[in-house]
Amino acid sequence: KNQVEQSPQSLIILEGKNCTLQCNYTVSPFSNLRWYKQDTGRGPVSLTIMTFSENTKSNGRYTATLDADTKQSSLHITASQLSDSASYICVVSGDRRAGNNRKLIWGLGTSLAVNP
Amino acid sequence: DAGVTQSPTHLIKTRGQHVTLRCSPISGHKSVSWYQQVLGQGPQFIFQYYEKEERGRGNFPDRFSARQFPNYSSELNVNALLLGDSALYLCASSVQQGAAGYTFGSGTRLTVV
Repeated sequence: KNQVEQSPQSLIILEGKNCTLQCNYTVSPFSNLRWYKQDTGRGPVSLTIMTFSENTKSNGRYTATLDADTKQSSLHITASQLSDSASYICVVSGDRRAGNNRKLIWGLGTSLAVNP
Repeated sequence: DAGVTQSPTHLIKTRGQHVTLRCSPISGHKSVSWYQQVLGQGPQFIFQYYEKEERGRGNFPDRFSARQFPNYSSELNVNALLLGDSALYLCASSVQQGAAGYTFGSGTRLTVV
C-alpha cells in the first residue's frame, strides 16, 4: 500500500534554533517528493520538489534531502523564525507510466511551533 | 502574475443544500485538481481535470462532481450536503497532467450546519 509517514507529529522549538523533520514513504514506483508548508486554514505552499536523481535541494533556510534507496526524506530548517510555525507536509507522487495514477500521496504533516 | 484563485473563501451551507466552488488556475496551466482537507488531516484527492476532461477521480461519492471550462477554470459541485462535507476545499493547478509543479490556491472553507 502506498503510504507516507512523517515524524514527529508535532514539534516545539525556540526561535533561532534548527530542526529536522522526517518523511518515510512506501510509494512505488516513485516519481518525485515534495515538501509543503501549510498555515492553518490556508493552501499548501511548495518548498521543494525532488526527483529520483536528486538527493538534496535548498530553498532559503529550508534544505530537503532524499534517499531513494531507503525511501526517506528530511526537511531541515535553519535559524527558525516565528513565521515558520505551520504544518510541514511531505507528499510523494507515483509514476503514471507504471500504471499508478499520478495522484499525490500526502503525509499527515508535522506541526511545528516556533516560540520566542 | 496571479496565483491559483478560489472563490468564495468562506461559505456556510445547511444540510441538503448544493454548493459550487470555483477555481481559476495560473495562466498557462491546463490541469486542475481538487482536494478536500478535513481539519487536522492531509488533503484527499477528489478530481483531476486536464484539457477539459476528467483524468482522475478519488474515492468520493457521486454527490461530488466537477467540470473544467475552455479557459481551464473549474467548478466543483457538491449536492445534498452532509455535515461531514465541512472542510477546506483546495484547488491545485499545473502546466500539464503529470507535471510535478502543482500550485495550490488558498482554498474555500465550507461549513455545513
